[in-house]
Amino acid sequence: GAVVSQHPSWVICKSGTSVKIECRSLDFQATTMFWYRQFPKQSLMLMATSNEGSKATYEQGVEKDKFLINHASLTLSTLTVTSAHPEDSSFYICSARDFSGSLGTPTDTQYFGPGTRLTVL
Amino acid sequence: GQNIDQPTEMTATEGAIVQINCTYQTSGFNGLFWYQQHAGEAPTFLSYNVLDGLEEKGRFSSFLSRSKGYSYLLLKELQMKDSASYLCAVRDRMDSSYKLIFGSGTRLLVRP
Repeated sequence: GAVVSQHPSWVICKSGTSVKIECRSLDFQATTMFWYRQFPKQSLMLMATSNEGSKATYEQGVEKDKFLINHASLTLSTLTVTSAHPEDSSFYICSARDFSGSLGTPTDTQYFGPGTRLTVL
Repeated sequence: GQNIDQPTEMTATEGAIVQINCTYQTSGFNGLFWYQQHAGEAPTFLSYNVLDGLEEKGRFSSFLSRSKGYSYLLLKELQMKDSASYLCAVRDRMDSSYKLIFGSGTRLLVRP
Protein backbone atom coordinates (compact mmCIF):
# COMPACT_ATOMS: atom_id res chain seq x y z
CA GLY A 1 0.00 0.00 0.00
CA ALA A 2 0.93 3.64 -0.33
CA VAL A 3 3.30 4.92 2.32
CA VAL A 4 3.26 8.57 1.24
CA SER A 5 0.08 10.48 0.49
CA GLN A 6 -0.31 13.75 -1.33
CA HIS A 7 -3.29 16.06 -1.40
CA PRO A 8 -4.86 17.24 -3.58
CA SER A 9 -4.23 14.90 -6.49
CA TRP A 10 -5.13 17.61 -8.94
CA VAL A 11 -6.04 21.26 -8.76
CA ILE A 12 -7.10 23.94 -11.22
CA CYS A 13 -6.73 27.54 -10.14
CA LYS A 14 -6.80 31.04 -11.54
CA SER A 15 -3.65 32.98 -12.20
CA GLY A 16 -2.56 34.97 -9.16
CA THR A 17 -3.98 32.64 -6.55
CA SER A 18 -2.03 30.46 -4.13
CA VAL A 19 -2.20 26.70 -3.93
CA LYS A 20 -1.14 24.49 -1.02
CA ILE A 21 -0.08 20.89 -1.52
CA GLU A 22 0.29 18.50 1.41
CA CYS A 23 2.64 15.54 1.63
CA ARG A 24 2.28 12.99 4.43
CA SER A 25 4.33 9.95 5.33
CA LEU A 26 1.92 7.29 6.54
CA ASP A 27 4.04 4.42 7.85
CA PHE A 28 7.19 6.10 9.04
CA GLN A 29 8.59 9.33 10.34
CA ALA A 30 10.32 11.48 7.80
CA THR A 31 12.74 14.12 9.04
CA THR A 32 13.50 14.91 5.43
CA MET A 33 11.09 15.27 2.54
CA PHE A 34 11.78 16.39 -1.00
CA TRP A 35 9.71 18.32 -3.50
CA TYR A 36 10.05 17.71 -7.21
CA ARG A 37 8.52 19.14 -10.33
CA GLN A 38 8.06 17.16 -13.50
CA PHE A 39 7.09 18.44 -16.93
CA PRO A 40 5.62 16.09 -19.55
CA LYS A 41 8.06 13.45 -20.79
CA GLN A 42 10.83 14.87 -18.63
CA SER A 43 12.51 13.60 -15.53
CA LEU A 44 12.11 14.74 -11.96
CA MET A 45 13.63 18.09 -11.12
CA LEU A 46 14.39 18.57 -7.44
CA MET A 47 13.02 21.86 -6.20
CA ALA A 48 13.85 21.77 -2.51
CA THR A 49 14.69 19.66 0.49
CA SER A 50 12.27 20.02 3.38
CA ASN A 51 13.73 19.51 6.85
CA GLU A 52 11.54 19.02 9.89
CA GLY A 53 11.89 21.91 12.28
CA SER A 54 14.19 24.00 10.08
CA LYS A 55 14.22 25.96 6.88
CA ALA A 56 14.00 24.24 3.54
CA THR A 57 17.00 24.08 1.25
CA TYR A 58 16.19 25.23 -2.26
CA GLU A 59 17.91 24.16 -5.45
CA GLN A 60 19.52 26.75 -7.64
CA GLY A 61 17.00 28.67 -9.68
CA VAL A 62 14.02 27.87 -7.46
CA GLU A 63 12.42 30.96 -5.90
CA LYS A 64 11.96 30.35 -2.19
CA ASP A 65 9.46 33.21 -1.88
CA LYS A 66 7.29 31.71 -4.56
CA PHE A 67 7.44 28.08 -3.41
CA LEU A 68 6.93 28.17 0.33
CA ILE A 69 7.76 24.98 2.19
CA ASN A 70 6.78 24.13 5.73
CA HIS A 71 7.75 20.91 7.50
CA ALA A 72 5.90 21.25 10.77
CA SER A 73 5.96 17.64 11.90
CA LEU A 74 7.74 14.36 11.22
CA THR A 75 4.94 13.24 8.93
CA LEU A 76 3.81 16.39 7.12
CA SER A 77 5.38 18.82 4.68
CA THR A 78 3.49 21.42 2.67
CA LEU A 79 4.37 23.24 -0.51
CA THR A 80 2.54 26.49 -1.26
CA VAL A 81 2.76 27.89 -4.76
CA THR A 82 2.17 31.59 -4.27
CA SER A 83 0.75 33.87 -6.94
CA ALA A 84 0.58 30.99 -9.39
CA HIS A 85 0.96 31.64 -13.11
CA PRO A 86 0.33 29.39 -16.11
CA GLU A 87 4.03 28.55 -16.35
CA ASP A 88 3.77 26.98 -12.89
CA SER A 89 1.44 24.34 -14.30
CA SER A 90 3.18 21.03 -13.74
CA PHE A 91 3.16 17.72 -11.92
CA TYR A 92 4.44 18.24 -8.38
CA ILE A 93 5.68 15.17 -6.53
CA CYS A 94 6.92 14.85 -2.99
CA SER A 95 9.03 12.11 -1.50
CA ALA A 96 9.86 11.17 2.05
CA ARG A 97 13.09 9.62 3.20
CA ASP A 98 12.90 6.53 5.37
CA PHE A 99 16.14 6.91 7.29
CA SER A 100 15.48 3.95 9.54
CA GLY A 101 14.86 1.31 6.91
CA SER A 102 11.78 0.30 8.86
CA LEU A 103 9.85 -0.56 5.73
CA GLY A 104 12.16 -3.37 4.74
CA THR A 105 13.93 -1.53 1.95
CA PRO A 106 17.43 -0.07 2.06
CA THR A 107 18.02 2.72 4.51
CA ASP A 108 17.38 6.15 3.05
CA THR A 109 15.06 4.91 0.33
CA GLN A 110 12.83 7.70 -0.87
CA TYR A 111 9.11 6.94 -1.16
CA PHE A 112 7.12 9.08 -3.52
CA GLY A 113 3.65 10.47 -3.14
CA PRO A 114 1.14 10.02 -5.99
CA GLY A 115 1.74 13.55 -7.23
CA THR A 116 -0.38 16.66 -7.68
CA ARG A 117 -1.22 17.94 -11.11
CA LEU A 118 -1.49 21.72 -11.00
CA THR A 119 -3.13 23.63 -13.83
CA VAL A 120 -3.09 27.41 -13.66
CA LEU A 121 -5.49 29.15 -15.99
CA GLY B 1 29.25 18.37 -10.70
CA GLN B 2 26.97 15.44 -11.35
CA ASN B 3 25.90 13.90 -14.63
CA ILE B 4 23.66 10.90 -15.25
CA ASP B 5 23.02 9.45 -18.70
CA GLN B 6 20.38 6.99 -19.81
CA PRO B 7 18.99 6.12 -23.24
CA THR B 8 15.86 8.09 -23.99
CA GLU B 9 13.72 5.30 -25.35
CA MET B 10 13.83 1.54 -25.80
CA THR B 11 11.46 -0.97 -27.37
CA ALA B 12 11.25 -4.67 -26.59
CA THR B 13 8.95 -7.62 -27.16
CA GLU B 14 6.74 -9.26 -24.57
CA GLY B 15 8.54 -12.21 -22.98
CA ALA B 16 11.99 -10.94 -23.92
CA ILE B 17 14.81 -9.53 -21.80
CA VAL B 18 15.86 -5.89 -21.86
CA GLN B 19 18.82 -4.10 -20.30
CA ILE B 20 18.65 -0.40 -19.48
CA ASN B 21 22.03 1.23 -18.94
CA CYS B 22 22.93 4.18 -16.77
CA THR B 23 26.27 5.95 -16.52
CA TYR B 24 27.02 8.54 -13.91
CA GLN B 25 29.62 10.99 -12.71
CA THR B 26 29.55 12.28 -9.15
CA SER B 27 31.99 13.89 -6.80
CA GLY B 28 31.33 11.19 -4.19
CA PHE B 29 29.16 8.13 -4.77
CA ASN B 30 26.79 6.95 -2.06
CA GLY B 31 24.31 4.62 -3.72
CA LEU B 32 22.28 4.20 -6.90
CA PHE B 33 18.54 3.68 -7.12
CA TRP B 34 16.27 2.52 -9.91
CA TYR B 35 12.66 3.64 -9.98
CA GLN B 36 9.76 2.75 -12.28
CA GLN B 37 7.29 5.42 -13.27
CA HIS B 38 4.10 4.85 -15.23
CA ALA B 39 2.69 7.82 -17.10
CA GLY B 40 0.93 10.26 -14.79
CA GLU B 41 1.96 8.39 -11.67
CA ALA B 42 4.68 8.77 -9.06
CA PRO B 43 7.89 6.72 -9.23
CA THR B 44 8.03 3.44 -7.35
CA PHE B 45 11.21 1.95 -5.88
CA LEU B 46 12.72 -0.97 -7.77
CA SER B 47 16.27 -1.53 -6.58
CA TYR B 48 19.28 -0.15 -4.77
CA ASN B 49 23.00 -0.76 -5.29
CA VAL B 50 25.83 0.63 -3.22
CA LEU B 51 28.42 -2.15 -3.66
CA ASP B 52 29.67 -3.64 -6.92
CA GLY B 53 27.74 -6.57 -8.25
CA LEU B 54 24.31 -7.82 -9.12
CA GLU B 55 21.17 -7.47 -7.01
CA GLU B 56 18.34 -9.75 -8.07
CA LYS B 57 14.70 -9.31 -7.18
CA GLY B 58 12.31 -11.48 -9.10
CA ARG B 59 12.15 -10.45 -12.75
CA PHE B 60 14.27 -7.39 -12.05
CA SER B 61 18.02 -7.25 -11.48
CA SER B 62 20.34 -4.32 -11.10
CA PHE B 63 24.09 -4.25 -11.55
CA LEU B 64 26.67 -1.73 -10.38
CA SER B 65 30.31 -1.07 -11.21
CA ARG B 66 31.59 1.84 -9.17
CA SER B 67 34.96 1.96 -10.91
CA LYS B 68 33.22 2.41 -14.25
CA GLY B 69 30.43 4.66 -13.00
CA TYR B 70 27.99 2.26 -14.59
CA SER B 71 24.78 0.49 -13.71
CA TYR B 72 22.13 -1.43 -15.57
CA LEU B 73 18.62 -2.59 -14.86
CA LEU B 74 17.73 -5.96 -16.34
CA LEU B 75 14.10 -6.88 -16.89
CA LYS B 76 13.31 -10.51 -17.71
CA GLU B 77 10.15 -12.11 -19.07
CA LEU B 78 8.83 -8.75 -20.13
CA GLN B 79 5.15 -8.08 -19.64
CA MET B 80 2.99 -5.41 -21.22
CA LYS B 81 2.64 -3.73 -17.83
CA ASP B 82 6.41 -3.14 -17.80
CA SER B 83 5.88 -0.35 -20.33
CA ALA B 84 6.94 2.66 -18.27
CA SER B 85 9.79 5.05 -17.68
CA TYR B 86 12.76 3.79 -15.71
CA LEU B 87 14.69 6.34 -13.71
CA CYS B 88 18.26 5.97 -12.56
CA ALA B 89 19.09 8.11 -9.51
CA VAL B 90 22.36 8.64 -7.70
CA ARG B 91 23.02 9.83 -4.17
CA ASP B 92 26.12 11.91 -3.61
CA ARG B 93 28.20 11.14 -0.53
CA MET B 94 29.27 14.75 -0.36
CA ASP B 95 25.69 15.90 0.14
CA SER B 96 24.42 15.48 3.67
CA SER B 97 20.81 16.02 2.67
CA TYR B 98 20.59 12.53 1.08
CA LYS B 99 18.98 14.02 -1.97
CA LEU B 100 18.88 12.03 -5.18
CA ILE B 101 19.87 13.26 -8.59
CA PHE B 102 17.77 11.68 -11.30
CA GLY B 103 18.67 10.84 -14.84
CA SER B 104 16.32 11.86 -17.61
CA GLY B 105 14.68 8.44 -17.59
CA THR B 106 14.31 5.71 -20.19
CA ARG B 107 10.88 5.16 -21.71
CA LEU B 108 10.40 1.46 -22.34
CA LEU B 109 7.72 0.27 -24.73
CA VAL B 110 6.84 -3.42 -24.58
CA ARG B 111 5.13 -4.71 -27.70
CA PRO B 112 3.13 -7.93 -28.11
